[in-house]
Amino acid sequence: GAVVSQHPSRVICKSGTSVKIECRSLDFQATTMFWYRQFPKQSLMLMATSNEGSKATYEQGVEKDKFLINHASLTLSTLTVTSAHPEDSSFYICSARAESTGSYEKLFFGSGTQLSVL
Amino acid sequence: DAKTTQPNSMESNEEEPVHLPCNHSTISGTDYIHWYRQLPSQGPEYVIHGLTSNVNNRMASLAIAEDRKSSTLILHRATLRDAAVYYCILRDVRDDKIIFGKGTRLHILP
Repeated sequence: GAVVSQHPSRVICKSGTSVKIECRSLDFQATTMFWYRQFPKQSLMLMATSNEGSKATYEQGVEKDKFLINHASLTLSTLTVTSAHPEDSSFYICSARAESTGSYEKLFFGSGTQLSVL
Repeated sequence: DAKTTQPNSMESNEEEPVHLPCNHSTISGTDYIHWYRQLPSQGPEYVIHGLTSNVNNRMASLAIAEDRKSSTLILHRATLRDAAVYYCILRDVRDDKIIFGKGTRLHILP
């Protein structure tokens, strides 16, 4: 089956620094990727839709200048948390849909990145 | 987005079948019913999806009511590795996004 690789799996950083999370589709091309965040014991919250070669579409209430998304190729999307603060500590998850499939088909998810901001 | 309603949690004994219900009374004709599950500290994984007819795969079965206002995910023989949060999601064929609800936390008793 298709694999989505997310890196790093865990990161600890100081307040005020920026952190980049990578999401790669390993064996398929993904024109669209999605970024979610999840707080403990809560459900996943969609942050933004990342489209290859164009600007990301952010969900209401998500700061685009805070969470920078770049989708420069058909296999790579990155999420950069800028000037991270403790309240940004969360589990970040990416997902992707294979380009060749219909929009009703399944999504493949990365294994997530646990961000802890000190 | 059409919404789904699931029980917060369920328990089942190991090696017994599990029926996870989902209500989606406002489902539209273009909504597919998707099920994903999330094991602890991992990203979600696809389980099954369907539109109108019942579906079977190696992981589970999906039973869809005739009026499509409810569905049931069936795990035929639960194992401890099936302990996870199960999400029932409606996904419009015209929209790529998947919006997660609260899901059902399934506990498997040895």
